[in-house]
Amino acid sequence: AQKVTQAQTEISVVEKEDVTLDCVYETRDTTYYLFWYKQPPSGELVFLIRRNSFDEQNEISGRYSWNFQKSTSSFNFTITASQVVDSAVYFCALRGGSTLGRLYFGRGTQLTVWP
Amino acid sequence: EAGVVQSPRYKIIEKKQPVAFWCNPISGHNTLYWYLQNLGQGPELLIRYENEEAVDDSQLPKDRFSAERLKGVDSTLKIQPAELGDSAVYLCASSLSGRNEQFFGPGTRLTVL
Repeated sequence: AQKVTQAQTEISVVEKEDVTLDCVYETRDTTYYLFWYKQPPSGELVFLIRRNSFDEQNEISGRYSWNFQKSTSSFNFTITASQVVDSAVYFCALRGGSTLGRLYFGRGTQLTVWP
Repeated sequence: EAGVVQSPRYKIIEKKQPVAFWCNPISGHNTLYWYLQNLGQGPELLIRYENEEAVDDSQLPKDRFSAERLKGVDSTLKIQPAELGDSAVYLCASSLSGRNEQFFGPGTRLTVL
């Protein structure tokens, strides 16, 4: 079974604060892929990152960084120096090696950044 | 490069009426997906196509939902008859293959009265 848990339903921060969005996953597959998507108010899911299960290197892209830890089955997402434009719902998703093509999404975290 | 196109963006119908959603994937993407997103939830896969073939439709309620992808490009998702519980956002996504990142369209927000 594949499952993604995003325990944080809503987070509010003030601009320039750092914020971390948590993601915990469950899978029996030895090969799997993890994703983060952003869903702004317009509704379109925007792909942010994909991570393979055999690559635990952390990744940084501008103000975004991702921490993948297999030992704790977590794939957390940090936004540094948040901006109002970061306000959106963020989804973590899992694709198991045995479930080709099917993404399993968490319930999402609503991030609100106040000016 | 154009993204995934969906229409209509919004649809309001009365229960028991039929409704159809259309999706045009990114050019060259062989894999097409339809997802259902209920309010406050993450998307859930309804059906996945590899070219013209529906390879994963285990979550599609086949008594009232149907889908087709003629010629392996555009796709249509239909509900007949619609029920109150079908009110949700219907998202279409595409990818080069089932192994690649999925890119989503803006969705169709359906309201059933």
